[in-house]
Amino acid sequence: GQNIDQPTEMTATEGAIVQINCTYQTSGFNGLFWYQQHAGEAPTFLSYNVLDGLEEKGRFSSFLSRSKGYSYLLLKELQMKDSASYLCAVRASGGYNKLIFGAGTRLAVHP
Amino acid sequence: DAGITQSPRHKVTETGTPVTLRCHQTENHRYMYWYRQDPGHGLRLIHYSYGVKDTDKGEVSDGYSVSRSKTEDFLLTLESATSSQTSVYFCAIRGDGDSGNTIYFGEGSWLTVV
Repeated sequence: GQNIDQPTEMTATEGAIVQINCTYQTSGFNGLFWYQQHAGEAPTFLSYNVLDGLEEKGRFSSFLSRSKGYSYLLLKELQMKDSASYLCAVRASGGYNKLIFGAGTRLAVHP
Repeated sequence: DAGITQSPRHKVTETGTPVTLRCHQTENHRYMYWYRQDPGHGLRLIHYSYGVKDTDKGEVSDGYSVSRSKTEDFLLTLESATSSQTSVYFCAIRGDGDSGNTIYFGEGSWLTVV
């Protein structure tokens, strides 16, 4: 079966660092994506990992370990505007670029 | 901005009525998708298309049909709406060649079936 797990909710303080974990079990693997989604809006693309290791993009970094079926999204220097849901998605094998999504992690950033 | 427009953005309809949601894209993308998003379930794929008149089912396709007669338009139809189809519907396209062919989403269509 296909399964993607991430925590339902997290809280953090403005200026701090937060790590959002994602574990997956899918039929094949062809890339992992992170999206940000503010309430009432569409998901927006944050990062993509297909090889093991860390990808850094400004305040956001994403890590992948394919052997462990594990990824995390690291958010540094948190800002109030980072309060949003963060979606982990895996592109499994089988073509057509279909993504399987986790239920999302709702992050609340407090002053 | 991936050039995706969804219509209508909000709709309230009665149980048993047909509903069609439209997704329009302006950048000639070959792959298009319809997802629904519900609390606790995340985004789930309903149907997808890999070209004009080429479509296939996703994981939650029961009660839905799609059509793609032109590259730019991908229509999602609920033949007889039920309350369980109350949801937010997102159309998406595949970006070609960038960041692993990332999927980009439209703004969403909020559908309430009463």
